[in-house]
Amino acid sequence: NAGVTQTPKFRVLKTGQSMTLLCAQDMNHEYMYWYRQDPGMGLRLIHYSVGEGTTAKGEVPDGYNVSRLKKQNFLLGLESAAPSQTSVYFCASSSDAAFYTDTQYFGPGTRLTVL
Amino acid sequence: KQEVTQIPAALSVPEGENLVLNCSFTDSAIYNLQWFRQDPGKGLTSLLLIQSSQREQTSGRLNASLDKSSGRSTLYIAASQPGDSATYLCAVRANFGNEKLTFGTGTRLTIIP
Repeated sequence: NAGVTQTPKFRVLKTGQSMTLLCAQDMNHEYMYWYRQDPGMGLRLIHYSVGEGTTAKGEVPDGYNVSRLKKQNFLLGLESAAPSQTSVYFCASSSDAAFYTDTQYFGPGTRLTVL
Repeated sequence: KQEVTQIPAALSVPEGENLVLNCSFTDSAIYNLQWFRQDPGKGLTSLLLIQSSQREQTSGRLNASLDKSSGRSTLYIAASQPGDSATYLCAVRANFGNEKLTFGTGTRLTIIP
């Protein structure tokens, strides 16, 4: 049982390049989330999904797209990376059984640097 | 807009001491509050979750309290150990728009052996 895994762990991009971050969970969770963590700002929600085939915007969605084609996977895409997107990205998942009471399980993070 | 504050940003205490970490939030209309632990280079691990109707939750040496009316929560760690060294974050879930957790910026705790 791996929990929540993220690929890659580290990445360096040049401005304007694109990339996709992959999140996978093996807990059969309905809900999945993408956050970014920046110094002095806490974690902020980028996008989330309440089930396979669904996505919704979070607090800071601009510059990112997501897809949830399979229940266990949640992809975060950067179409044209900007230095402001340098951050640590965390994926999380949670059960629908008790959505408002259950905790979120986090992956180990992806450290992205955009030059 | 909900804002969550954790002061101090960093704290060092000798091993064996009891300590309290603080979390304050501006909007008292919350559904629940969680405390997380984050080790360097790692993701977040949930420690305790307190529902808005509860006053406290305990797990081992950890005790979290919630005073919703004053917008405050504390995390009490008893008999601190070097393995407790980590960053501790609190997060609140709002009544409206429940999909969103608002996080504080954390307190980096160092336990000195």
